[in-house]
Amino acid sequence: EVQLVESGGGSVRPGGSLRLSCAASGFTFSDAWMNWVRQAPGRGLEWVGRVKAKSSGETRDYAAPVKGRFTISRDDSKNTLFLQMNSLTTEDTAVYFCATDYCSGTTCYLNYWGQGTLVTVSP
Amino acid sequence: SYVLTQPPSVSVAPGQTARITCGGNNIGSKSVHWYQQKPGQAPVLVVYDDRDRPSGIPERFSGSNSGNTATLTISRVEAGDEADYYCQVWDFRNDHVIFGEGTKLTVL
Repeated sequence: EVQLVESGGGSVRPGGSLRLSCAASGFTFSDAWMNWVRQAPGRGLEWVGRVKAKSSGETRDYAAPVKGRFTISRDDSKNTLFLQMNSLTTEDTAVYFCATDYCSGTTCYLNYWGQGTLVTVSP
Repeated sequence: SYVLTQPPSVSVAPGQTARITCGGNNIGSKSVHWYQQKPGQAPVLVVYDDRDRPSGIPERFSGSNSGNTATLTISRVEAGDEADYYCQVWDFRNDHVIFGEGTKLTVL
């Protein structure tokens, strides 16, 4: 059974930093493309970014609102995905989900999701 | 970047059919995926590649996609289908995932 468990959320002041983790099990993590998606309170889903598998160059892509401030990384030896968030603003307050990515060459979708971890940025 | 437009809300009586639309420029040329999210829970993939269902998703959930509109159809709606539904496509030019704004399905 695929399991994704996020951790590391909490409260932080604007301008601060936070590092989220996503522990994966039930599949070959090193082969997986992994995403972060966030959801602000009462709002919709917003894709944050993705890291591809090492076999695909471990390429990283980010949404415009977080590019340059957030960094996605992975530790395949520990089956863990990370999201390093710097220069946080109140606009980054959200539940952060990690999710696996299935891509067929012509499209990609997110087939498994964790339960999320809440990040609150407030003065 | 590519924009997906969904109605904020759809209401339907139990046993009836709910149709949730997702609009986008020539969306029929893309593959559309749909997620269901209940309050306090993670999203769940209910339809992928326009019309396919992951294992465990009831046949009552179906999808279609043509022209500028994709549609998620839920037949014989049940109270347990009440949730937010999001469409999603892949923007191949940026290699980004794009979500619609979401539609709240209310079962009357």
